[in-house]
Amino acid sequence: DSGVTQTPKHLITATGQRVTLRCSPRSGDLSVYWYQQSLDQGLQFLIQYYNGEERAKGNILERFSAQQFPDLHSELNLSSLELGDSALYFCASSVGQGLDTQYFGPGTRLTVL
Amino acid sequence: AQKITQTQPGMFVQEKEAVTLDCTYDTSDQSYGLFWYKQPSSGEMIFLIYQGSYDEQNATEGRYSLNFQKARKSANLVISASQLGDSAMYFCAMESYQLTFGKGTKLSVIP
Repeated sequence: DSGVTQTPKHLITATGQRVTLRCSPRSGDLSVYWYQQSLDQGLQFLIQYYNGEERAKGNILERFSAQQFPDLHSELNLSSLELGDSALYFCASSVGQGLDTQYFGPGTRLTVL
Repeated sequence: AQKITQTQPGMFVQEKEAVTLDCTYDTSDQSYGLFWYKQPSSGEMIFLIYQGSYDEQNATEGRYSLNFQKARKSANLVISASQLGDSAMYFCAMESYQLTFGKGTKLSVIP
């Protein structure tokens, strides 16, 4: 158990819908990262927050947004969902802003029908 | 741009034998970190080992060691005394400003 929690574990929804994925980092970690893992794209970095502020952006679509709250938990919002958004979404956390170990949550498996 | 290459899509190893999973990377950054993660069929990503670009000694964590050759830009993972529970996908990753993953190697341990 990495200490990072993600809810829900599974999510099934329809195209065009909007969903919210939630992540709680390990105690003491200030950075939260979001990743998408799909069969064709592999593991892709989406976005990083550090202590409530956006720190780095990767291959995140405009339909996706995230935020980190004062209690350091984070939410990833996915809207106007398409079939291709079906993937495993991971949250990870680390102590600092970068160049330290990221510990991953169990992931949320999103299926868009 | 950062790039991680794992050239072995799949590998087999006999139980109790050692196995090396290859990883090469490309970056122009001087300061970076190299990581290996394990992903069992259950899906979670498990951190195994870390090597900093300025570390002179190869990292070791139990049965895992990282063979770091900076000049060759390689960071191979060595698993000693393989166990059935080592069967999983293994991802090499590099971080300078963001974590970039390779495509992974599927390791199967044969009894």
